[in-house]
Order: sequence, then C-alpha cells, then structure tokens
Amino acid sequence: TQLLEQSPQFLSIQEGENLTVYCNSSSVFSSLQWYRQEPGEGPVLLVTVVTGGEVKKLKRLTFQFGDARKDSSLHITAAQPGDTGLYLCAGATGGSQGNLIFGKGTKLSVKP
Amino acid sequence: NAGVTQTPKFQVLKTGQSMTLQCAQDMNHNSMYWYRQDPGMGLRLIYYSASEGTTDKGEVPNGYNVSRLNKREFSLRLESAAPSQTSVYFCASSDGLGTGELFFGEGSRLTVL
Repeated sequence: TQLLEQSPQFLSIQEGENLTVYCNSSSVFSSLQWYRQEPGEGPVLLVTVVTGGEVKKLKRLTFQFGDARKDSSLHITAAQPGDTGLYLCAGATGGSQGNLIFGKGTKLSVKP
Repeated sequence: NAGVTQTPKFQVLKTGQSMTLQCAQDMNHNSMYWYRQDPGMGLRLIYYSASEGTTDKGEVPNGYNVSRLNKREFSLRLESAAPSQTSVYFCASSDGLGTGELFFGEGSRLTVL
C-alpha cells in the first residue's frame, strides 16, 4: 500500500512567521499536487509538480519536488491569517486519476 | 460558474436507511470521483468513473454503489447506512488526462445515528 506521510499534522503560528510542510513517501510518484481546503469547502488545487527537483513559486508559497520524486515540501514565507486552512498533498502513481493518493493533511492556523 | 454541485449538503440518517448523494459537473469533464474525508484519515477514494459508462472501485468501496448517469452526473448510494459511514463526502471531477487538476464540490456532511 502506497502512503504519503505529511508533517506536521497541526501547525499554529503567528502572522509573519515562516513555515514548511513536508510530504514524504517510499514510493515514486509521476507527479504531486498540493491542495488547500478551507472549512466547509472542498480542496482547491494550488500547484502540480512533475519533474524531480522542480521548484514552483506561487506568491509567498514555494513548492519543491524531491529529486527522486518521492517527497515534496511547501514553504510559506511571512504567513498571513488568510493562509489558514488544511494543506493536502496528493501523489499520482500513473496516468489514471484513480491512482491519486492523498496525505492526511496539515492543519495550519495563522494568528494575527 | 457552478463547477461541481453536490446535494444534499447535510443529511442525518438512521442505521439501515438508504440514501443517494447527487453530483453534477458543468465543465465537460470525462472523469468523476467520490471521496470521503474523516478526521485524521485524509481523503479516501470510494469509487471513480474514468469516463461515461465506466466505474471502478477505489480504496474504500464497501457499503457503497455508484451510477454514472451521463457525462455530467455521478451519484453515490448507501443502501443500508451504518454509523461507520458518518463522514463528509466530496465529489470531484477532472479532465482525466495525465496530471489533471481535481475540482471538488463543497461536500455533503452525512451523520448516521
């Protein structure tokens, strides 16, 4: 069974702090997606990384895919209260979306 | 700009009752999915339909049935609800190609007493 381990599970920080969320597996993924979910809503895609070593930036968010395509990280610089939410990573194991494996999520709370 | 629409948003059932969750997407997507989300368990795939006319089991299919009614609609049925099926259910769709983005509905919160 393929697993995606996310850490930390919970994170509570003050506005302006930096943070990193990790997504690790022993399996190789063809691509990895990061989603953010706000209370009462469905997850929304933030980014997809495909190439080992790839780095993508989305404003204050930096996403990295490990060289071996087994792990990924999400770094947020100068966190804002609007960054609060559940961050989910999801790894694709093949062409079919039915093979998308989700991590359990990191619940981030950014206090003003 | 509806995207993925799920109904109902909330439902309370008694053990043994049946119900159907409805899902419709207006993005002309080929693939549709049903997930359940439980605290500490993340999102788990129940069933998916890669294209109209096909359905496949996901990670946790027991106790559920699905119907891909047409390209737009994908329903999830609980024939005899159990307390273990208390969860938040999400329908999602994608174009089904490669690393395609999943578009999720707002979720249906189901409580089975």
